[in-house]
Amino acid sequence: GAVVSQHPSWVICKSGTSVKIECRSLDFQATTMFWYRQFPKQSLMLMATSNEGSKATYEQGVEKDKFLINHASLTLSTLTVTSAHPEDSSFYICSAGQGAGGTEAFFGQGTRLTVV
Amino acid sequence: GENVEQHPSTLSVQEGDSAVIKCTYSDSASNYFPWYKQELGKRPQLIIDIRSNVGEKKDQRIAVTLNKTAKHFSLHITETQPEDSAVYFCAAGQFYFGTGTSLTVIP
Repeated sequence: GAVVSQHPSWVICKSGTSVKIECRSLDFQATTMFWYRQFPKQSLMLMATSNEGSKATYEQGVEKDKFLINHASLTLSTLTVTSAHPEDSSFYICSAGQGAGGTEAFFGQGTRLTVV
Repeated sequence: GENVEQHPSTLSVQEGDSAVIKCTYSDSASNYFPWYKQELGKRPQLIIDIRSNVGEKKDQRIAVTLNKTAKHFSLHITETQPEDSAVYFCAAGQFYFGTGTSLTVIP
């Protein structure tokens, strides 16, 4: 199957700083990538849909100024958590698909963010 | 948009017993229904999927059934083993996920 790589796998940052998470499709081009937030043993909460060359589409309740998404190329999307606070600590995971909605999603390995 | 509901949220079974997880969806236009398994701290991975032109699909101990009229689909795991313990997610399409089921198989 296709490979999606996410980096870093874990990060610890101080409150008030910003953290950037990268999501790369290694062997295919992804015009659309998805960013999720996940709490322990809970569901994948879709945060936003990242569209190559255009603005991301954010889900209701997700602050676009806090969670900045950039999808500058067909193989890379980034999520920047700005002015991080302890409540932003979570598992963030991206996904991409090779075709339209009727195909499997391939996930990155996730990023464990801890804000201290 | 699509709304996917999943039940139960937690499930414990004895090793060797069967486990069933059920999902419903709202958009009748959805035509692809994958199931993912996620182990602790790891990424979700596809275990089986079904398309709307099929009512049932089986792969060894795993099977999925789909009822398009009722808009629900189910995952069946037979002869469960401890390594089946994980969180399972259903989905409608590529990015609408159910709320997850934490399955524990007791040895």
